[in-house]
Amino acid sequence: QKEVEQDPGPLSVPEGAIVSLNCTYSNSAFQYFMWYRQYSRKGPELLMYTYSSGNKEDGRFTAQVDKSSKYISLFIRDSQPSDSATYLCAMSDIGATNKLIFGTGTLLAVQP
Amino acid sequence: DGGITQSPKYLFRKEGQNVTLSCEQNLNHDAMYWYRQDPGQGLRLIYYSQIVNDFQKGDIAEGYSVSREKKESFPLTVTSAQKNPTAFYLCASSLRPDAGTQYFGPGTRLLVL
Repeated sequence: QKEVEQDPGPLSVPEGAIVSLNCTYSNSAFQYFMWYRQYSRKGPELLMYTYSSGNKEDGRFTAQVDKSSKYISLFIRDSQPSDSATYLCAMSDIGATNKLIFGTGTLLAVQP
Repeated sequence: DGGITQSPKYLFRKEGQNVTLSCEQNLNHDAMYWYRQDPGQGLRLIYYSQIVNDFQKGDIAEGYSVSREKKESFPLTVTSAQKNPTAFYLCASSLRPDAGTQYFGPGTRLLVL
């Protein structure tokens, strides 16, 4: 079993829809949770960063962490065609090495 | 403009050849990282460096080498011992070794001729 599981998609939604992207993990020591957006043939761009449990909102994006269920989510409201990309979750228990464990990414397509 | 630059954007390697990928950052970050990305496998850590003149192997270091002679530079050499080098290579940095967030460069795509 992988430490981090993420549905690869593809996920296709109409413009304006609410998108829900999810990751599950097995390591209860993970404390830091990140979502990256990656456009085709580009480097990942940090979208959201959350420490421990709870919600964090930034514009149309909301990140949720449920440590009891070992489950994290990214919600995108009013999705736009420009949101079409691969979304990667990443997490870490920090310490000295800051080793991030990545999900395999979910490919999202927002149809105009 | 602060950020991470990688060069070249595309790189071609012949059999038996060593090639070096460049990574430079002007963010004054202490830690730097190299990842390899393959379809369906996510990002895998090759090497990381927490401080100048020090670096550690990641999960898939075999066939790769690095150096960290300057804070802003962390080049990766793909040696001839790496039998399956075709991949997208990503360099990242973080402010401190224990900082949660890592920031990525634009990547280098390595192809084998």
